Amino acid sequence: ETGVTQSPTHLIKTRGQQVTLRCSSQSGHNTVSWYQQALGQGPQFIFQYYREEENGRGNFPPRFSGLQFPNYSSELNVNALELDDSALYLCASSLRGRGSWVQYFGPGTRLTVL
Amino acid sequence: GQQLNQSPQSMFIQEGEDVSMNCTSSSIFNTWLWYKQDPGEGPVLLIALYKAGELTSNGRLTAQFGITRKDSFLNISASIPSDVGIYFCAGQPWNTGNQFYFGTGTSLTVIP
Repeated sequence: ETGVTQSPTHLIKTRGQQVTLRCSSQSGHNTVSWYQQALGQGPQFIFQYYREEENGRGNFPPRFSGLQFPNYSSELNVNALELDDSALYLCASSLRGRGSWVQYFGPGTRLTVL
Repeated sequence: GQQLNQSPQSMFIQEGEDVSMNCTSSSIFNTWLWYKQDPGEGPVLLIALYKAGELTSNGRLTAQFGITRKDSFLNISASIPSDVGIYFCAGQPWNTGNQFYFGTGTSLTVIP
């Protein structure tokens, strides 16, 4: 158990809708990263939040956005859903400032877009 | 984005055999991580490597940070059925403080 939790576990949406996914960090961690994992692929970095601000972004369009709250929990929002957004969405928490960036993952949210 | 080449893509081995897999990149990395992922779950951290040449063990698992800083290796000794899963390498480039790139995974099947 990493102590990182995500909700919901599964979600089904239709094309064009909007979705919000949630993540609670491991206790003591101040940084949250979000990843998209398509079937049969490795996780792809979406973005990272530190001190409630976006701190690095992968190759994802602006319709992927996020928030980090004072308690370090985080949300991933995806607008105008497309079929290709169907994937496992993973959040990972880490403690910035230790000189390493080891990330601990939650169980993921499986999003299906129909 | 950064590409990590992970090989082999899949392995089918007999219980008790040793396993080796590796990951290579076109860029220098500061950190290498190895994860195991079971179906429908998030990746679980196995080993973290921070320094070129570093060799680190975690039980039957041993991983090494390549001298060139562009590769890493994971070995599993005396495999058991619960080793089944997908193994991912992840690397953090020297010029980003926050982004990890993942390999495409090695699927391991252990035949009892």
